[in-house]
Amino acid sequence: NAGVMQNPRHLVRRRGQEARLRCSPMKGHSHVYWYRQLPEEGLKFMVYLQKENIIDESGMPKERFSAEFPKEGPSILRIQQVVRGDSAAYFCASSPGTSEVGGPYNEQFFGPGTRLTVL
Amino acid sequence: RKEVEQDPGPFNVPEGATVAFNCTYSNSASQSFFWYRQDCRKEPKLLMSVYSSGNEDGRFTAQLNRASQYISLLIRDSKLSDSATYLCVVNEGYSTLTFGKGTMLLVSP
Repeated sequence: NAGVMQNPRHLVRRRGQEARLRCSPMKGHSHVYWYRQLPEEGLKFMVYLQKENIIDESGMPKERFSAEFPKEGPSILRIQQVVRGDSAAYFCASSPGTSEVGGPYNEQFFGPGTRLTVL
Repeated sequence: RKEVEQDPGPFNVPEGATVAFNCTYSNSASQSFFWYRQDCRKEPKLLMSVYSSGNEDGRFTAQLNRASQYISLLIRDSKLSDSATYLCVVNEGYSTLTFGKGTMLLVSP
């Protein structure tokens, strides 16, 4: 049973280029989350998606960043016109669902991450 | 501002020692609590979910004190392979996980 898959594992971009990060959730999981980890920092929530819907994007920068989770295919995190400050590890997680009161339904499992380096 | 606070460490302990980490959270409405471990430059891996007042899994015991808003993780009989950064994580709603910056543990022979 494959876990959360992310690709590419490493991505190098020059300033001004676009970065596309892909995430396939665990089998049976319909909820996808994106997090960013800057060097020497903790993970920060960016966006939560279900198929064809953005549920919570409160952690997304207002400009240049977008995310989608289409009916078919992986979730995509897209960063336009990258800057050096975008260099970070971007982790995707998935869960079977969510529950207000907690429990295994809330548990999120992480992919190996994409390390983005902006030159 | 909703935060999760942890002592960054590092905690240096010999093999076989017992070590405990604490974590405090600011949002009293938080419902779910977790401990993850993260090895250098790898993804976080779920170690334990913390339900009700606490739970135990082998050498690991997690406790939750809602009144004081803190969570603890106890590791007994430390192994070299326990060396990692331990992340305290709080779920504040349906989706958002808020991570502490982690506590580094170094277990030496």
